Amino acid sequence: DSGVTQTPKHLITATGQRVTLRCSPRSGDLSVYWYQQSLDQGLQFLIQYYNGEERAKGNILERFSAQQFPDLHSELNLSSLELGDSALYFCASTPGQGHYGYTFGSGTRLTVV
Amino acid sequence: GESVGLHLPTLSVQEGDNSIINCAYSNSASDYFIWYKQESGKGPQFIIDIRSNMDKRQGQRVTVLLNKTVKHLSLQIAATQPGDSAVYFCAENAPNYGGSQGNLIFGKGTKLSVKP
Repeated sequence: DSGVTQTPKHLITATGQRVTLRCSPRSGDLSVYWYQQSLDQGLQFLIQYYNGEERAKGNILERFSAQQFPDLHSELNLSSLELGDSALYFCASTPGQGHYGYTFGSGTRLTVV
Repeated sequence: GESVGLHLPTLSVQEGDNSIINCAYSNSASDYFIWYKQESGKGPQFIIDIRSNMDKRQGQRVTVLLNKTVKHLSLQIAATQPGDSAVYFCAENAPNYGGSQGNLIFGKGTKLSVKP
């Protein structure tokens, strides 16, 4: 157990729907990062939050959004889902903003049918 | 378990042999590099890291080599074991990527298969 908790582990939904993925960072970590892992794109950085505030954006679609709550857990919202959104979504956490050693959760497998 | 990728380069080695996994990174300004191991059904796990002011770092059974001249990183695993079978990713910290420090760019990964 890495200390980073992601729920649910698996999610199957239809195109056009909206889902929310949840991440609880490791105790004491203030930064949360979201990554998408698909077969042909590898691990792609989506977005980072630090202590409740958005810090960096990567290749995140406008249909996707995220937030980090006062208790530091984070949610990634995916809407108007398309077949191509099927992927593994990972959350990672670090103690600070510039601390590079990520601790990853075990991911959420999203399947859009 | 989860399939990380069907289009990854694959390295197949015999148990007990040494493994060398290579990675070419993209940004000459990157100052920190990490190797991760991802087993089926799990998230990436930290193996070893190295800063750009070093060219070699050793851990337990693993060594990372950094060649900044050609932007190349390698991971050497000594006496490879069946439990080492996984996908291995290199990652680089590229300053100002995505607007913040601390964001990592991951390589595509290499699948290591250890034959008993």
